[in-house]
Parts: sequence; structure tokens; C-alpha cells
Amino acid sequence: AQKVTQAQTEISVVEKEDVTLDCVYETRDTTYYLFWYKQPPSGELVFLIRRNSFDEQNEISGRYSWNFQKSTSSFNFTITASQVVDSAVYFCALSEFSGGTSYGKLTFGQGTILTVHP
Amino acid sequence: DGGITQSPKYLFRKEGQNVTLSCEQNLNHDAMYWYRQDPGQGLRLIYYSQIVNDFQKGDIAEGYSVSREKKESFPLTVTSAQKNPTAFYLCASSMSAYSNQPQHFGDGTRLSIL
Repeated sequence: AQKVTQAQTEISVVEKEDVTLDCVYETRDTTYYLFWYKQPPSGELVFLIRRNSFDEQNEISGRYSWNFQKSTSSFNFTITASQVVDSAVYFCALSEFSGGTSYGKLTFGQGTILTVHP
Repeated sequence: DGGITQSPKYLFRKEGQNVTLSCEQNLNHDAMYWYRQDPGQGLRLIYYSQIVNDFQKGDIAEGYSVSREKKESFPLTVTSAQKNPTAFYLCASSMSAYSNQPQHFGDGTRLSIL
């Protein structure tokens, strides 16, 4: 069975600090997809990034960067120079390869509450 | 604007009452999903639908029912059999139900018991 663990329940930082959100996953499949979502106070989940298991290149998008390491089954998310608007709950999620027309179930971690203080 | 609309934003249920949560999307997505979120927990899948007129149970389907008569609509009914319905309910959709497709979410409905 697949599992996603976000060990940090809550993180509190001061604006302009860098912060890393950890995500560790378990799966028996060799093909799978990893996602990060942001849930601001308004409630909807906002898609941030998708990674497939064959692409271990790190990715940077503005102040956001993601470090995917298959050897440690981790997909960590770093926010550089954090801002108050980054305050939200962040979810890591894993989807195993479904193949054909089968549904690929998405398993979410518990979420990390990030609070950025001015 | 394309997106997912959930209504109402807040809903109150009396004992023994069924309530229906609405979810509409105009993204032309084939797949739709319902999740339940409890405080301090991740999202848990209630039901999903890969295509019109088809739906499947997720991990916590007991006490819930759905229908998918139109591509753009996937209403969720919380029945009186659901003994602990207080939670935040999120509807999502994706182009297809394939595992690599990101899901797009609505703003959610917060359900409480009176």
C-alpha cells in the first residue's frame, strides 16, 4: 500500500527566511507520480507541481524549489525568502501508475501548516 | 472563468436528515472526485467518477452516495447513516482519472451537525 508522511505538522518562520517542507513516501511501484498542493485559508487546494518517478531533476519555479530523491523516497519542497502570503497548509501526494483506463489513486500526506510572520 | 464551484459554503444537518452538496465544473473534465478533510488530517477519498454514469467507492464511502448524470455535475449526498458527518468536503476534477493528471479543487463545503 502506498503511504505519504509529512513529519512536520506545523512550521513557523519569520518573513524572508527559507523553509523546507519534508515529504517521504512509500510505494511498491516503479512508476508513480508525486504532487504538491497548497491550501490557503480560503480552503481550495491549489496544484503546485507534478513529478514522475523517472524524472529526478530538481525543479525551481520562482521562490519555490523541489528536491526529488528516489534513493531516500523523498520529495521535499523549499520556499526561499518566505512571505506572509505563503502561509497555508501544504500537502504532498502520491499516485501510483494506473495503466490503461484504471484509476490511479491519489494518497495525501497529513499536511504541514506553514505560518510566516511579518 | 473555468473552474469548480461547490455550494453551499456552509451547511448544517439535523439528526436523521440527508443533505446534498453540489459540485459543478466547467473545465470539460471527465473525472470527478469527492474528498473529506478532518482537522489535522489529509484528504480521504469518498467517491470518484471516471466518466458520466459511472462512479466508484473510495476509502470511506459508507454513509455517502453520489450520482453522475451529467459530465459537469457530481453531487454528494451525506445520508443519515453517516454518524460523524462534521468535516470539510472538497470536490475535485481532472482531465481523466489517469494517475498522472493533477486534480483541480473547489473551495469546499463545511458541514456541521445542529
